[in-house]
Amino acid sequence: EDKVVQSPLSLVVHEGDTVTLNCSYEVTNFRSLLWYKQEKKAPTFLFMLTSSGIEKKSGRLSSILDKKELSSILNITATQTGDSAIYLCAVGGLTGTASKLTFGTGTRLQVTL
Amino acid sequence: GAVVSQHPSRVICKSGTSVKIECRSLDFQATTMFWYRQFPKQSLMLMATSNEGSKATYEQGVEKDKFLINHASLTLSTLTVTSAHPEDSSFYICSARDGAGNQPQHFGDGTRLSIL
Repeated sequence: EDKVVQSPLSLVVHEGDTVTLNCSYEVTNFRSLLWYKQEKKAPTFLFMLTSSGIEKKSGRLSSILDKKELSSILNITATQTGDSAIYLCAVGGLTGTASKLTFGTGTRLQVTL
Repeated sequence: GAVVSQHPSRVICKSGTSVKIECRSLDFQATTMFWYRQFPKQSLMLMATSNEGSKATYEQGVEKDKFLINHASLTLSTLTVTSAHPEDSSFYICSARDGAGNQPQHFGDGTRLSIL
């Protein structure tokens, strides 16, 4: 059974701090690892990492995939209160012809003033 | 970017009612859409994969007669919760992927279903 584990489960930091969120996985026929941000509604897409794209960056957010260690990190520098959210890691695997995502339980990040 | 619209955003109804939730891809064609369920403080659990023009593929433990899925066109999938009961109360979220291949899923805003 595919499995995705995220750590820490929750995190409280001060505005301006840098945070690192972790994701490890066990999945059949790995295809991709995705990071999403979930605030009050449904998740919004941040990054997708694959064998051909193991590092992505957008503004203060960046992510790296370590295929050897079966893990990924999401970094947020100079955090702002608007970064407060649940960050979900999902891994895409291929079972037969079915490609689907398995989600971790998420890391709840709270950024305080 | 890819936009997915989900409607309604919130439903409150009596036990025994059937509820239909729509998921539309607004600016792309989605041969595959996904339906998830999320309980409070838990992650997304895949319920079923909806394939345009064919039957949905349900995850283990999900009752296909309870959760009817129809994917009649490349831009619309519907989930009908039949004869809903209080234990069906949850946050239901759909997602769609642009075309085949290894593309990210984009999510609708979700439907919060409350059965009294």
